[in-house]
Amino acid sequence: DAMVIQNPRYQVTQFGKPVTLSCSQTLNHNVMYWYQQKSSQAPKLLFHYYDKDFNNEADTPDNFQSRRPNTSFCFLDIRSPGLGDAAMYLCATSSKARETQYFGPGTRLLVL
Amino acid sequence: GNSVTQMEGPVTLSEEAFLTINCTYTATGYPSLFWYVQYPGEGLQLLLKATKADDKGSNKGFEATYRKETTSFHLEKGSVQVSDSAVYFCALSPSFSGGYNKLIFGAGTRLAVHP
Repeated sequence: DAMVIQNPRYQVTQFGKPVTLSCSQTLNHNVMYWYQQKSSQAPKLLFHYYDKDFNNEADTPDNFQSRRPNTSFCFLDIRSPGLGDAAMYLCATSSKARETQYFGPGTRLLVL
Repeated sequence: GNSVTQMEGPVTLSEEAFLTINCTYTATGYPSLFWYVQYPGEGLQLLLKATKADDKGSNKGFEATYRKETTSFHLEKGSVQVSDSAVYFCALSPSFSGGYNKLIFGAGTRLAVHP
């Protein structure tokens, strides 16, 4: 089945130690999104790629970066994680503007 | 601006009870509307959607009708099961997002169904 895959499902890192989360998709969708979801809150969009074009949300901290080396893969880099960055990180894809977003299972990040 | 308001939870029901989760929205133009469900420890799954006024989305016994006159998209199910226990998010996609599908979520409503 076509799907959105996130690895790892759980990631533990140390305060200030860079960490990378990965997302891959077999849907061949143009758009890939990264969301941050803190406990008992709605997902918050960090940024998205439309093909190779990167689009940052205005309130996304500089500490968060992303890479999309090809259509299938997208990475979320957190350069210096703080305790406040502990959250579930969700990757999603869609085929074009206004189409449904399909979410991966998420990576839960713990910062010690 | 665009926003989504959901009824606060948790909603606690007995199995086979009727479910309504209210959702209202504020948006310009003609947004698309969605319900996503999140089971514990999992990502979001699309439950149903509607893309224009008076459309009814349905899936797995859940239904929601796009009501432009009341700017609402309430989720209903006639008989809930324990397996429906999850967090439900109402969301909209504005009619113009600048070339991508920006989702604006409500705060989520936790549903707990007891046997």
